[in-house]
Amino acid sequence: NAGVMQNPRHLVRRRGQEARLRCSPMKGHSHVYWYRQLPEEGLKFMVYLQKENIIDESGMPKERFSAEFPKEGPSILRIQQVVRGDSAAYFCASSPDTYGYTFGSGTRLTVV
Amino acid sequence: KQEVTQIPAALSVPEGENLVLNCSFTDSAIYNLQWFRQDPGKGLTSLLLIQSSQREQTSGRLNASLDKSSGRSTLYIAASQPGDSATYLCAAGDYKLSFGAGTTVTVRA
Repeated sequence: NAGVMQNPRHLVRRRGQEARLRCSPMKGHSHVYWYRQLPEEGLKFMVYLQKENIIDESGMPKERFSAEFPKEGPSILRIQQVVRGDSAAYFCASSPDTYGYTFGSGTRLTVV
Repeated sequence: KQEVTQIPAALSVPEGENLVLNCSFTDSAIYNLQWFRQDPGKGLTSLLLIQSSQREQTSGRLNASLDKSSGRSTLYIAASQPGDSATYLCAAGDYKLSFGAGTTVTVRA
């Protein structure tokens, strides 16, 4: 079992570009979560998804951010028109139920 | 809204000493409490999960207790080793975890 796989590990984008972050959950896990860790801050919940459904997106910024978890393929966190304040580590986690998280190694986004 | 606080923010101990890390939360109606370890520039490794009906969990040198009535959890690490140096995070909630800011531990050889 390969664990939660996130790619890329590091991503550099210029201001105004789009960032796409991918997350493949652990085998058998149907619940996916995205968290953001800003520099010198704790992890903050962004969104909770199940296959083809967004269950809770209360932590997502209202604009430019979107997430999906299609029937086939990985979950995608998409950030349009990135700004310097989007620079952070983005972590994906998965679970077989609504507890017992396993986290991925994260994607570190740098906006230049 | 669940608020999670971890004290102390940093801790430095000599090798072999026992570690005591504290976590407090404001909403006692938590679903689960989970302790994680984070190494610099890395992801989170789950250490222990305590469900709300449980009082403690143990794994090797690690023991975590949960007291919902007082809104506290404590992580004990016995006989610390330099490899235990990391940031330890506690998180409370159901599917939506609220994280503390962490305790950064340094174990001196």
